[in-house]
Amino acid sequence: DAGVTQSPTHLIKTRGQHVTLRCSPISGHKSVSWYQQVLGQGPQFIFQYYEKEERGRGNFPDRFSARQFPNYSSELNVNALLLGDSALYLCASSFNHNPEAFFGQGTRLTVV
Amino acid sequence: EDQVTQSPEALRLQEGESSSLNCSYTVSGLRGLFWYRQDPGKGPEFLFTLYSAGEEKEKERLKATLTKKESFLHITAPKPEDSATYLCAVQAGDNDYKLSFGAGTTVTVRA
Repeated sequence: DAGVTQSPTHLIKTRGQHVTLRCSPISGHKSVSWYQQVLGQGPQFIFQYYEKEERGRGNFPDRFSARQFPNYSSELNVNALLLGDSALYLCASSFNHNPEAFFGQGTRLTVV
Repeated sequence: EDQVTQSPEALRLQEGESSSLNCSYTVSGLRGLFWYRQDPGKGPEFLFTLYSAGEEKEKERLKATLTKKESFLHITAPKPEDSATYLCAVQAGDNDYKLSFGAGTTVTVRA
């Protein structure tokens, strides 16, 4: 069975640009969450979506947005990129309201 | 706000030298405590979920335990392939949509 898949795996962007990251959850999982992990720190919660509705949002600026599609895949969008947005962006899926979350391999974003 | 503190930050072990990692937490109404393993540049790999004080889970050389204030991850007779960063996370009852992570403990096992 395929796990959580994220694309792209690596990305380099310039300050001020926009980026879109994509995530496909495990088959049957309807909940998708996004996390940001800066080097040397634990992942920080950005968003959770369940059945295409936003269930929770972390302490991130409005430059960060996300959505979930009818097939439960998800996109994370970041506008007006800053150097500080450089991080590993992780997507996790879970089965309905089950708390156990399974992570993808992440997208390494570098902002120059 | 939920707080998760892991210690030590780094741990260097000789192959076969057992040790323990600590995760102390402050949360309003613990819904679950989670342990993950993360290899460099990869996403976290799920290991265990613990729900109530006194609960224990085992997987190969790893054993996780939970009290009302902390959790321990015991590594018995580690091998070099156990080298990784181990992350602890909590989910609170009133914020059941997110995990709050500690900074992790990086374990290096030398042959």
